[in-house]
Amino acid sequence: EAGVTQSPTHLIKTRGQQATLRCSPISGHTSVYWYQQALGLGLQFLLWYDEGEERNRGNFPPRFSGRQFPNYSSELNVNALELEDSALYLCASSLDSGGHEDTQYFGPGTRLTVL
Amino acid sequence: GNSVTQMEGPVTLSEEAFLTINCTYTATGYPSLFWYVQYPGEGLQLLLKATKADDKGSNKGFEATYRKETTSFHLEKGSVQVSDSAVYFCALSDVNTGNQFYFGTGTSLTVIP
Repeated sequence: EAGVTQSPTHLIKTRGQQATLRCSPISGHTSVYWYQQALGLGLQFLLWYDEGEERNRGNFPPRFSGRQFPNYSSELNVNALELEDSALYLCASSLDSGGHEDTQYFGPGTRLTVL
Repeated sequence: GNSVTQMEGPVTLSEEAFLTINCTYTATGYPSLFWYVQYPGEGLQLLLKATKADDKGSNKGFEATYRKETTSFHLEKGSVQVSDSAVYFCALSDVNTGNQFYFGTGTSLTVIP
């Protein structure tokens, strides 16, 4: 069974540009989560999508946004990039949103570098 | 609110040494607790989990027991190997906050031969 996949693996942008990161969940999983892993800051929760809707977002500015498509894949968009947006962005999926015990399975991440 | 605190690293151990990585949590409800591992250059992998008090999660020789009285979920392994070198993250999920996971800052472990 294929795991969570993310693309691209690496992304280099300059300040002010926009970045688009993509995630495909495990087949059958309807929930997708995005996390930012910046150096020295651990994992910070960004967004949670389920059944095409945004269910929750972390403490990030509105220039971080995303969407979930009918096939449950997801995009994370970061507008007006700033240097401090440089980080590893991790996507995770889980079976459903019905219970808090649902394990999240992570992809390998997209390394975003803002110059 | 919810939060996870885990011991700061880095931790360096010799092969076959005993490992403990401390993790304590604060939660408004009754959380599920997880340990994830991140090997160099890879994403996070679930190592083990426990969903209620006194449950013990175990996998690959690692163990952690959900202790409600001390709000802890310490990770232990009796004899570490070089291949265990990785960053370990403690995390919780709480039904009161949907499916949002709260992660600790991670503890880097290096095992030397």
